Amino acid sequence: NAGVTQTPKFQVLKTGQSMTLQCAQDMNHNSMYWYRQDPGMGLRLIYYSASEGTTDKGEVPNGYNVSRLNKREFSLRLESAAPSQTSVYFCASSESLGGRSNQPQHFGDGTRLSIL
Amino acid sequence: AQTVTQSQPEMSVQEAETVTLSCTYDTSESDYYLFWYKQPPSRQMILVIRQEAYKQQNATENRFSVNFQKAAKSFSLKISDSQLGDAAMYFCAYRSGGGYQKVTFGTGTKLQVIP
Repeated sequence: NAGVTQTPKFQVLKTGQSMTLQCAQDMNHNSMYWYRQDPGMGLRLIYYSASEGTTDKGEVPNGYNVSRLNKREFSLRLESAAPSQTSVYFCASSESLGGRSNQPQHFGDGTRLSIL
Repeated sequence: AQTVTQSQPEMSVQEAETVTLSCTYDTSESDYYLFWYKQPPSRQMILVIRQEAYKQQNATENRFSVNFQKAAKSFSLKISDSQLGDAAMYFCAYRSGGGYQKVTFGTGTKLQVIP
């Protein structure tokens, strides 16, 4: 019953360093998402992947890249970390991207990322 | 673009009492879904309840129920018989019915449950 697994749970980086946040889901979901959560701003979508092999920008994509490695895995990369990217990052997955479906998104436990 | 507004940054309720969290949204679409998610201190995002816009009946899940007023674009969450474990951030979320499943979240309401 793992659901959506994110690694790492915590990370501290220096400005300019790069790192990749990993996400894997075991629910055979087609769609996956990366959000960031900042105080007073709810969750904002960074990138999403409708299905294996496709990725698209969300609301706040600048400074990030993603890779949909296979159906299970969707990684988020910070090429040159900036203090403004200090946030809590959530990965989520859902059964399908669109259509008449009331299925919610399932979330991982989040990664707390601090950039000094 | 759709927007979701939660006007109560913080709320408190006495244990065993009832509390209502408010949410309003703005959309020009007629087909959409609404959700309430709970985020406890553990940071997990947990689905509490969902509502399809085409259904007139308000959704209910045990102690949780919604008051969905489509014309007013209002979607409030009522928690009955509040328990200490209900203490969390609560996020209201909107999703379009067709096309891309983009979810728009409100800014959240922090609920404190007083013993």
